[in-house]
Amino acid sequence: DAKTTQPPSMDCAEGRAANLPCNHSTISGNEYVYWYRQIHSQGPQYIIHGLKNNETNEMASLIITEDRKSSTLILPHATLRDTAVYYCIGDNYGQNFVFGPGTRLSVLP
Amino acid sequence: DTGVSQNPRHKITKRGQNVTFRCDPISEHNRLYWYRQTLGQGPEFLTYFQNEAQLEKSRLLSDRFSAERPKGSFSTLEIQRTEQGDSAMYLCASSLNSGPPGYTFGSGTRLTVV
Repeated sequence: DAKTTQPPSMDCAEGRAANLPCNHSTISGNEYVYWYRQIHSQGPQYIIHGLKNNETNEMASLIITEDRKSSTLILPHATLRDTAVYYCIGDNYGQNFVFGPGTRLSVLP
Repeated sequence: DTGVSQNPRHKITKRGQNVTFRCDPISEHNRLYWYRQTLGQGPEFLTYFQNEAQLEKSRLLSDRFSAERPKGSFSTLEIQRTEQGDSAMYLCASSLNSGPPGYTFGSGTRLTVV
């Protein structure tokens, strides 16, 4: 698995966009980037994944740099319920996911 | 299908006792994973199954830990002679092969060893 690096914590004002960065400089050409989040006392929840192109779904957008060495998860209008730990994971086919400590996002009223 | 189900949600046991957790994956998923998570840390991989075969085990999985997935359906994780250091959230996840869309996690079993 590609090693990922994320800031330990971030704050965001309610209603504003939350931009969560992730560095994955060792990612290989076949590795997807996955984002999960974990709300206290629950299992991680899938958010989005991408390979080369930017992706958007009902939860978030994922921007991947052209060199694929970093990505940014965007929550366009953060709410208090988005307060969670966010994990960025580089996946290699057939390997198990390796979770780092993630970014603790606090959405402030 | 209601997702990945884990039972029990909480377990308190005395040190030295054996405990067993159950995970019911999404029915069509052929891969099943166990992770352990302690406070403030990300989930740590323990083991995974493809159908009924246990394909990989982490060195975190001491000989007191055993996991099974009979018939490639549900899985059990047993911890023998529990220690206080085993206190953690035990997470199960399943996936359809590898690659996207990745894993679906259960809500976990929180073990407290007293």
